Amino acid sequence: SYVLTQPPSVSVAPGETARITCGGNNVGSKSVHWYQQMPGQAPVLVIEYDTDRPSGIPERFSGSNSGNTATLTISRVEGGDEADYYCQVWDTSDDRGVFGGGTKLTVL
Amino acid sequence: QVRLVESGGGLVKPGGSLRVSCAASGFTFTDHYMSWIRQAPGKGLEWISCISGSGTVIYYADSVKGRFTISRDNAKNSVSLEMSSLRDEDSAVYFCARERSALANWGQGTLVTVSS
Repeated sequence: SYVLTQPPSVSVAPGETARITCGGNNVGSKSVHWYQQMPGQAPVLVIEYDTDRPSGIPERFSGSNSGNTATLTISRVEGGDEADYYCQVWDTSDDRGVFGGGTKLTVL
Repeated sequence: QVRLVESGGGLVKPGGSLRVSCAASGFTFTDHYMSWIRQAPGKGLEWISCISGSGTVIYYADSVKGRFTISRDNAKNSVSLEMSSLRDEDSAVYFCARERSALANWGQGTLVTVSS
């Protein structure tokens, strides 16, 4: 079955840029979606189809996907961005949804 | 606006059964896949199952296949997950979500605890 690998944690100072990676075999050929989950809350879609921002998501959030790595980039990080972030794909070979293990973003 | 509200969670003994449901509003229900995702305490998200708008296409994760059954009632704008032969490791918050790929909207979740 398909596996997505994320770093358990990423730390960044306020105002800096955070990059959260999502690794998978030829993930660049798949559509990757990213979710933000605050403690005790449901996840929120922040990037869909590799690069698209749903309505209401700040322009500071962007995505890219190529080769074996997809990346969520958060520019000018704020304290309110501290959360868990998950990448996700639909694996068409198995017809299954797949989530990465999640990355905890800490704002120093 | 889109609203998803789960219900039916609770405490169940190992080997028991439970049905969780999700009431949807704010969109044309039959136009969209609906999905179930769960999150064990302190753990990450796990995709469980999804069902097409017509109810004719259904997919399951290997971890629940043969034990869980997803269904939908398009007349009532609801989707359900019937869970049987429950195990300790099925304890989690169960979320419903709109769509199959990009999960655009999520409910607040319902907690299922499997314990003797």
